Amino acid sequence: GQQVMQIPQYQHVQEGEDFTTYCNSSTTLSNIQWYKQRPGGHPVFLIQLVKSGEVKKQKRLTFQFGEAKKNSSLHITATQTTDVGTYFCGGSNYKLTFGKGTLLTVNP
Amino acid sequence: DAMVIQNPRYQVTQFGKPVTLSCSQTLNHNVMYWYQQKSSQAPKLLFHYYDKDFNNEADTPDNFQSRRPNTSFCFLDIRSPGLGDAAMYLCATWGGEKLFFGSGTQLSVL
Repeated sequence: GQQVMQIPQYQHVQEGEDFTTYCNSSTTLSNIQWYKQRPGGHPVFLIQLVKSGEVKKQKRLTFQFGEAKKNSSLHITATQTTDVGTYFCGGSNYKLTFGKGTLLTVNP
Repeated sequence: DAMVIQNPRYQVTQFGKPVTLSCSQTLNHNVMYWYQQKSSQAPKLLFHYYDKDFNNEADTPDNFQSRRPNTSFCFLDIRSPGLGDAAMYLCATWGGEKLFFGSGTQLSVL
């Protein structure tokens, strides 16, 4: 079955540094979604990417979908303490398989 | 304004004592899910309903059952909870583009 890998598992940064997490699927995805889960909270939808090579931005967050639709990345520019949480990628469609997530901690 | 509502937020049960977790939604979404999330792990899909059609994941233990009496409500029944079933249980719906999660029920097994 479909497997989704995420790296790194953990990332600790100083506030103001950039952060990137990568998502790789064993199979081609029809789309990929990103979620953020704050400590003690539930996953919250960030974005969906559908097209090969697609790039979307949300303020300091940049999301990319690979040309082969098997990998994706989330880049945060100039992290803030509010960015703390676990970032999950998942594909495809309504039966999401989540990667293990990347836990981001930010030192103020 | 809560759209996917899970009660209770915390549930304590005894080893082997059946427990039911509840989920309701005001979104009128066709698809509802139950996920299990253990500490520092990703949510793991247990099963989902597409309308009334029940879909069990292959590795979901028989100890876990679910009911969906109508569009709005879905229940997770754990027939004989073991210590390994202690986890956060997340209910979610599919909105055509994304999952809407409830706040979850944290289950403790004593």
